[in-house]
Order: sequence, then structure tokens, then C-alpha cells
Amino acid sequence: DSGVTQTPKHLITATGQRVTLRCSPRSGDLSVYWYQQSLDQGLQFLIQYYNGEERAKGNILERFSAQQFPDLHSELNLSSLELGDSALYFCASSEQGAPTGELFFGEGSRLTVL
Amino acid sequence: GQSLEQPSEVTAVEGAIVQINCTYQTSGFYGLSWYQQHDGGAPTFLSYNALDGLEETGRFSSFLSRSDSYGYLLLQELQMKDSASYFCAVRDGYGGATNKLIFGTGTLLAVQP
Repeated sequence: DSGVTQTPKHLITATGQRVTLRCSPRSGDLSVYWYQQSLDQGLQFLIQYYNGEERAKGNILERFSAQQFPDLHSELNLSSLELGDSALYFCASSEQGAPTGELFFGEGSRLTVL
Repeated sequence: GQSLEQPSEVTAVEGAIVQINCTYQTSGFYGLSWYQQHDGGAPTFLSYNALDGLEETGRFSSFLSRSDSYGYLLLQELQMKDSASYFCAVRDGYGGATNKLIFGTGTLLAVQP
């Protein structure tokens, strides 16, 4: 157990809909990272928040947005869903100043768009 | 652009040694990490190299050559439970700014009896 909690674990929805994925980082970690993993693909970096502020941005679609709240949990909002958005969405957190920069991943949210 | 290349699949037998290579081309570099992922589960950290050379952690070792933009993960005394996907990842930031990782495409390791 990494200490990172993601909900929901599974989500099935239809094209055009909007969903929200939630992540609680490990206790004490200020950074939250979102990654997308499509079938048989690597992990694609979407976005990072640090203590409530956006810190780094990857190839995140305009239809996707995220935020980090004062209690440090984060939400990833996916809208106008398309079939190609079906994927595993991982959240990770990291300890500031850790020499290895290790990311601790949650179990992921599996999104299926029908 | 940024890219990390790994072999897509590797097969080995129990008790053997296997090496998974990774070459990278990224705009920023603060180290090379390796992660293991079982069947779509949470990726877990295996090792990290910031400097050239070999790092050993039990049955796993990782090597880095920054001048060659190359690294590898060496798994010894393979066990069935080592069957998983292995990802190399470049650390694209350091310290308080970001520990963003750029991941490779992953190598599926199949360990056979």
C-alpha cells in the first residue's frame, strides 16, 4: 500500500459525458502528479500540482482539467469524453526533497468510455 | 521532443539473469529511475541513478551512462513473481520544483519455469 488513495477504482460512462477522478496523496506529501496509461502504453504525464498550485504540465488535453485543494487532495476532471479517453489514470505523490524523487502511485482509476 | 526507448518484450527462465536496456533523449535530466508494474497495478519504484555507474539493490541492479544517454536494469536470480512490466523514467525536475518523470514505453518481462 503506497498510501495514495484514488477513487473510483472503476468507472464506465458514455461518450460526451464528464467524470471526476479523485486522489488523496500520502500524508505529508505536497505534490500530486496525474498520469494516463492507455492499453499497452507507457505512462503519459498529464499535470502536477504542488501545494495547491500547478507546477508542471504535460500533454493534457484542453478537455481535461485538474486542481488541488487546501487539504491537498486533487481532482482530475475529464469532459466531452471520447472513446480514446478510455485508460487507466494514475495519481502519484512525492516527498519534497527526496533524493531519489520517488513517486508513490495509487492503484489507479480505470475509465471505460462506451 | 522527449523519448525513452526500451525493448517491448523480454523472455527469460527462472534463475537466469536478464538485462533491460533504456536509451533516452530528453530536454531535462536529473536522473534515471526504474519502476515495476504488475498487470496494470500501481507502478512501484525499483531504483534510481543520478550519476554514472552501477547501483545495486538486492537482486536488482541499475546502471547509467549519461554520456551515452543509456541505462539498464539487471535482474538476477529471476523468479516467477518478477514477471511484470518494467519502465525506465527520466527525472525531469529536481527538488521543490518538480519530480516529474517521463516514462519509457515499458518492457514486458515473462519469466518461464
